[in-house]
Amino acid sequence: AQKVTQAQTEISVVEKEDVTLDCVYETRDTTYYLFWYKQPPSGELVFLIRRNSFDEQNEISGRYSWNFQKSTSSFNFTITASQVVDSAVYFCALRPSTGNQFYFGTGTSLTVIP
Amino acid sequence: DSGVTQTPKHLITATGQRVTLRCSPRSGDLSVYWYQQSLDQGLQFLIQYYNGEERAKGNILERFSAQQFPDLHSELNLSSLELGDSALYFCASSVAGVSTEAFFGQGTRLTVV
Repeated sequence: AQKVTQAQTEISVVEKEDVTLDCVYETRDTTYYLFWYKQPPSGELVFLIRRNSFDEQNEISGRYSWNFQKSTSSFNFTITASQVVDSAVYFCALRPSTGNQFYFGTGTSLTVIP
Repeated sequence: DSGVTQTPKHLITATGQRVTLRCSPRSGDLSVYWYQQSLDQGLQFLIQYYNGEERAKGNILERFSAQQFPDLHSELNLSSLELGDSALYFCASSVAGVSTEAFFGQGTRLTVV
């Protein structure tokens, strides 16, 4: 079975704090792809990053960084020095190589307080 | 702007009616996905088309149907609408291959009254 769990439903931080959004996945596929999407209050889903299962290198893009650990089936997302514009719902998603659909977690609603 | 266009942005209709949601994928993308986002169900996969053919089916009700046309645009038809069908319907597109990310449109907000 394919499953993505985002245990944190809602997180509030004060501006400039760092925050980590957790994502745990389940799959029996040996090759799979992980994604993070951002859904701001305006409603659209914005693609942030894709990670392949065979590439465990962490990635940093500006204030965003992603920590992929295959051993714990986790793909966590950290925002450094958070800003009000980071307020959104963040979704983690899994796509196994043997399937076609994207499996989404239930999302984490992040509120950054000025 | 993701390059995926969905129309209309908002739709209000009565129970029992039928509506059609339209999606134009990004230029060059052959795959189209439809997702339903409701408060209690999260993002639910409905159906995927690839180059005009149905590729995968998710939790799509029999009252719902979709198709992808030769010009690659797609339509999602929802009939005999119920209050519970009120949701945000997303279309997404991607290039061929499972390793690629999907780009989402802005969604169609459907309200059934």
